Amino acid sequence: AQKITQTQPGMFVQEKEAVTLDCTYDTSDPSYGLFWYKQPSSGEMIFLIYQGSYDQQNATEGRYSLNFQKARKSANLVISASQLGDSAMYFCAMRETDSWGKLQFGAGTQVVVTP
Amino acid sequence: KAGVTQTPRYLIKTRGQQVTLSCSPISGHRSVSWYQQTPGQGLQFLFEYFSETQRNKGNFPGRFSGRQFSNSRSEMNVSTLELGDSALYLCASSFTGVRNEKLFFGSGTQLSVL
Repeated sequence: AQKITQTQPGMFVQEKEAVTLDCTYDTSDPSYGLFWYKQPSSGEMIFLIYQGSYDQQNATEGRYSLNFQKARKSANLVISASQLGDSAMYFCAMRETDSWGKLQFGAGTQVVVTP
Repeated sequence: KAGVTQTPRYLIKTRGQQVTLSCSPISGHRSVSWYQQTPGQGLQFLFEYFSETQRNKGNFPGRFSGRQFSNSRSEMNVSTLELGDSALYLCASSFTGVRNEKLFFGSGTQLSVL
């Protein structure tokens, strides 16, 4: 069964606008971590932000913030003030307890930032 | 600090051949994971090594294997290549591989099987 669902295959956003990328997850593990990665056309996966299941506050990293709604099993990424360099594929991922090195990824959302 | 280094960057092989991909993790990182990325299946976990031991394995056939050396460098091998093995193979490293550690990825090896 799909554990990470990203329902937006692609989206356009104008430069300097904010964009929200949706992510829902499914797990019965009470202790898990949620990650967002960015993959530009070069192929490298770039870490953006992390949220632990027990974290009380939503994570923030510069222009990136995570809207974590635990009861709804939702972990949406918000990118504020989009830049042309933000054009990339964005992946939501989850790691469960004792899943050494294993991240379960969603299908990704392709973001294109337009001038 | 050098990032995760994967070699080679591109590979072209024919069906039935075997291939070895290499990954050098960030200095101090002892956990190395491998992922396969294809347009159809997305990102799928292959296996993870820590201190030369495989700790976790994904759902891939035995043709996919790996190993880790004492300096934490890792290799993965695919034997008897099939057309469906064409993919971007990504290596990731972290200190110990525990739940809240972020994984640092390399740029990947693009494998094409003809």
